[in-house]
Amino acid sequence: NAGVTQTPKFQVLKTGQSMTLQCAQDMNHNSMYWYRQDPGMGLRLIYYSASEGTTDKGEVPNGYNVSRLNKREFSLRLESAAPSQTSVYFCASSASGNTEAFFGQGTRLTVV
Amino acid sequence: GIQVEQSPPDLILQEGANSTLRCNFSDSVNNLQWFHQNPWGQLINLFYIPSGTKQNGRLSATTVATERYSLLYISSSQTTDSGVYFCAARGGEAGNMLTFGGGTRLMVKP
Repeated sequence: NAGVTQTPKFQVLKTGQSMTLQCAQDMNHNSMYWYRQDPGMGLRLIYYSASEGTTDKGEVPNGYNVSRLNKREFSLRLESAAPSQTSVYFCASSASGNTEAFFGQGTRLTVV
Repeated sequence: GIQVEQSPPDLILQEGANSTLRCNFSDSVNNLQWFHQNPWGQLINLFYIPSGTKQNGRLSATTVATERYSLLYISSSQTTDSGVYFCAARGGEAGNMLTFGGGTRLMVKP
């Protein structure tokens, strides 16, 4: 039982490049989330998926797209990376909207 | 959406001391969690506590939902308790968003 697994753990991109961050959970959770954490700050919600087939914007969605591929997997795509997207990205999941959320180990992304 | 504020922002303790971290939130909540982010950046679940009191070893937490605050107590602190403690709440109109506070950065000195 791995919980929430994110890949890759580290990534360096050049400005303008694209990439997809992958997230998978094995807890049969309905809801999944993507957050970003900038240095010295708390986490801010980018996008979430309340259930398979649905996605909604969070607090800071600009510059990102998401796909809820199936119940297990929720990916985050940067179409044209910018230095302002340098951050640590966390994926999380929960059984439903008001139950305990569990986080992956994070992806440290640097855009140069 | 719901606002979450944590205090104090920074805390330095001598090993063995006790401490209380506070989390205030602006609306009614259906989820409140405390996390510990260790020096490697990993988020560790401490408590899921939308109301009431829970204890786990040297740590305990209390949420008074009607007064919109939660407290995390750390007793007999150890150097391994160092890191950042986050409170996160879900509620109000943005019911699906788990909103994080700014965190309390704790350093425990030997």
